[in-house]
Amino acid sequence: SQQGEEDPQALSIQEGENATMNCSYKTSINNLQWYRQNSGRGLVHLILIRSNEREKHSGRLRVTLDTSKKSSSLLITASRAADTASYFCATDFQETSGSRLTFGEGTQLTVNP
Amino acid sequence: GAGVSQSPRYKVAKRGQDVALRCDPISGHVSLFWYQQALGQGPEFLTYFQNEAQLDKSGLPSDRFFAERPEGSVSTLKIQRTQQEDSAVYLCASSPFGGRREKLFFGSGTQLSVL
Repeated sequence: SQQGEEDPQALSIQEGENATMNCSYKTSINNLQWYRQNSGRGLVHLILIRSNEREKHSGRLRVTLDTSKKSSSLLITASRAADTASYFCATDFQETSGSRLTFGEGTQLTVNP
Repeated sequence: GAGVSQSPRYKVAKRGQDVALRCDPISGHVSLFWYQQALGQGPEFLTYFQNEAQLDKSGLPSDRFFAERPEGSVSTLKIQRTQQEDSAVYLCASSPFGGRREKLFFGSGTQLSVL
């Protein structure tokens, strides 16, 4: 499968702590994106990192990309209860023809107040 | 509109029924995608439109699935002779970019239950 694989599948932390989620993939990418999904809602784009970038920041989010290890991590600092959601990585594979953006199975994050 | 709008929000169908799911993308967005999301899974790609042209339908699981976007705005995903394995959330997404798989804006989805 070309899907990104995420770990952990589930993560439970206390408010104020940092949360780290990881994504691994198998073939070369053009870019990797992270999305958040609240229960019963659509996905919301968080951040995009291109294959020639190693780190990117957006507010409390920090994304890293290691193309040699074919992995990415999403760090949420100073977590809040409102960060409780599922987080998905999505990969744009270089070899993929057409327009397929491939999503992983997600990490369910619970931030306890 | 302010965001991607999908209707109906919920749809219950008897096995064998045909269903039609509607997507209203953000005005002016060139690209439109349909995804299928099973419970507890990530979204799976179904099909892609650039304006009115369906450029990629490689993810449609069978010939019972059909999508159209005749005027390059609203899109309809039709499923004929529904089966229980079609039960899922169907997500529509749009993007202002043509030919680039970046920064998709998603609707809240249509939850389809086939009994």
